[in-house]
Amino acid sequence: AQSVAQPEDQVNVAEGNPLTVKCTYSVSGNPYLFWYVQYPNRGLQFLLKYITGDNLVKGSYGFEAEFNKSQTSFHLKKPSALVSDSALYFCAVDDYKLSFGAGTTVTVRA
Amino acid sequence: GAGVSQSPSNKVTEKGKDVELRCDPISGHTALYWYRQSLGQGLEFLIYFQGNSAPDKSGLPSDRFSAERTGGSVSTLTIQRTQQEDSAVYLCASSFSGLDTDTQYFGPGTRLTVL
Repeated sequence: AQSVAQPEDQVNVAEGNPLTVKCTYSVSGNPYLFWYVQYPNRGLQFLLKYITGDNLVKGSYGFEAEFNKSQTSFHLKKPSALVSDSALYFCAVDDYKLSFGAGTTVTVRA
Repeated sequence: GAGVSQSPSNKVTEKGKDVELRCDPISGHTALYWYRQSLGQGLEFLIYFQGNSAPDKSGLPSDRFSAERTGGSVSTLTIQRTQQEDSAVYLCASSFSGLDTDTQYFGPGTRLTVL
């Protein structure tokens, strides 16, 4: 079975500092990995995905993610966090349906 | 182009009643998915429709749950004899072709509260 894990329930950073949200995966075959963000009382918004090719994937709102096959990781990163980035972030793997991690709550303090 | 829409946005019902949740996917998307988000279970897959193929119902938690998709577009998720554990946010998503490389786009969800 395909699965992802998000080892951190919460991440707290100061505005302007780098932000990293961790995700590891366990898949057989090629991993198709996604990041979504959820703001309070909203649905999930797509940020970026890795299908194949360049290990560094760039997405919406200045986010990027690095696919690392040897470490089976797909960490989400942003060089300089904003207060408005405070939200719930989900990593997911796609095997025609999405299997999500438990989510990481990001709080960016001013 | 409009995104995925869902109605109602909120639904409060009494235990034992039936409820219907509606999803209108992005125009031209052939694949439609239902997920459930609850505090205890996180985000979980419920059902998947792809074109005219038989739906994948493998995620439905019990036979009280059913869904249909009419004309390859709008979908309705029905929960019969609702229970308190059915309280959750029900999310609908659609994708262009249903391939596992396709991006799924989500609606705002329906928050169901069973009293």
